[in-house]
Amino acid sequence: DTAVSQTPKYLVTQMGNDKSIKCEQNLGHDTMYWYKQDSKKFLKIMFSYNNKELIINETVPNRFSPKSPDKAHLNLHINSLELGDSAVYFCASSQWDGDTEAFFGQGTRLTVV
Amino acid sequence: AQRVTQPEKLLSVFKGAPVELKCNYSYSGSPELFWYVQYSRQRLQLLLRHISRESIKGFTADLNKGETSFHLKKPFAQEEDSAMYYCALSRNYGGSQGNLIFGKGTKLSVKP
Repeated sequence: DTAVSQTPKYLVTQMGNDKSIKCEQNLGHDTMYWYKQDSKKFLKIMFSYNNKELIINETVPNRFSPKSPDKAHLNLHINSLELGDSAVYFCASSQWDGDTEAFFGQGTRLTVV
Repeated sequence: AQRVTQPEKLLSVFKGAPVELKCNYSYSGSPELFWYVQYSRQRLQLLLRHISRESIKGFTADLNKGETSFHLKKPFAQEEDSAMYYCALSRNYGGSQGNLIFGKGTKLSVKP
């Protein structure tokens, strides 16, 4: 009964490929996020969705396209993968109104070769 | 500009020694600050937040608005405290606490 789960946990792919990372939360939260952790362990928010609507898009290339089919899911699709996309991607969720903390998934380690 | 600064990339102490992980912030409004911890190959977890003013695993952090700081402290470090620690600021759009600006993190290494 993991709160925020991401699949896959590891992803190795070649440059130019298109890949997706899935995220699901069973906490009943209405807001979900994608964060990127680079090789220097620096964490930065990429996207935020509230009730399936895009709220934040932090200067992320157009090759990254989040999709939220419902409140419990936020998938990240990446086109034309580049070497610089190699990172750990974390999904998170929280409740928009309220005092609840953000819960993070275990991360997806993406390696582009 | 909204920013979180953790000046130390790595902090190495011996078991039983006091620990202080520094965090300074820059924010125009009323900040909500957090400390997150990431143990080796595990997910990011909330350690504590300034509004709750509680002690978790022996760690405390006090918000000092005058110095714009939120340093994390523990009087006696344990080996199991070894982890990556992130200070974070919530931009709090509409109350959401997941829209976070993270510092670059400090790796705490506690030696036996």
